[in-house]
Amino acid sequence: DIQLTQSPSTLSASVGDSVTITCRASESISRYLAWYQQKPGKAPKLLMYKASTLQSGVPSRFSGRGSGTDFTLTITSLQPDDFATYYCQQYNDYSSFGGGTKVEIK
Amino acid sequence: EVQLVESGGGLVQPGGSLRLSCAASGFTFGDFWMHWVRQGPEKGLAWVARINNDGSGPSYADSVKGRFTISRDNAKNTLFLQLSSLRAEDTAVYYCATAGNGDYLDHWGQGTLVTVS
Repeated sequence: DIQLTQSPSTLSASVGDSVTITCRASESISRYLAWYQQKPGKAPKLLMYKASTLQSGVPSRFSGRGSGTDFTLTITSLQPDDFATYYCQQYNDYSSFGGGTKVEIK
Repeated sequence: EVQLVESGGGLVQPGGSLRLSCAASGFTFGDFWMHWVRQGPEKGLAWVARINNDGSGPSYADSVKGRFTISRDNAKNTLFLQLSSLRAEDTAVYYCATAGNGDYLDHWGQGTLVTVS
């Protein structure tokens, strides 16, 4: 099974900051990685797929990079609506999720 | 508009069974692979199972293999998850989701809570 390790697990930031979340796979997953945003009590929302393709309707301040085993999600100019938990998901070999990164207000 | 509505969750004793349903609307259900994902209390997301658009080729996470069964009825636009031999660690909100062009999950239901106690 492919394991995904996200870091950090918690990130404190202010409105307007740029933040980067890392997702590392235990083996190569090519670019078959997606990112999701989840708010308390709500279903996850797809942000990005194929490592760097923005889902329709997602603001361009979200960007993704990476291939193989190392991936990043960057949010530039953090907005109040962006404080949430973010998950990566690999879909190269069945599927699995990272442990999540909570972006909280500093 | 794509809508996915899960139902069937509830309180069940360890060793018991439950069948979850996911009613789909707003898209051609039979064209899409479907997934179940769960989230334990105060925990992260965990992939559970996947089924092809025609109901073939189901696949499961190791943690549920042999105990859970995913199926679908394309005529009724409904996805199912049969849960058996339930354990306390199966307690979670269970979400159904559509798979995009690849197995990323582009639409999700609101979830249904299963409590094993």
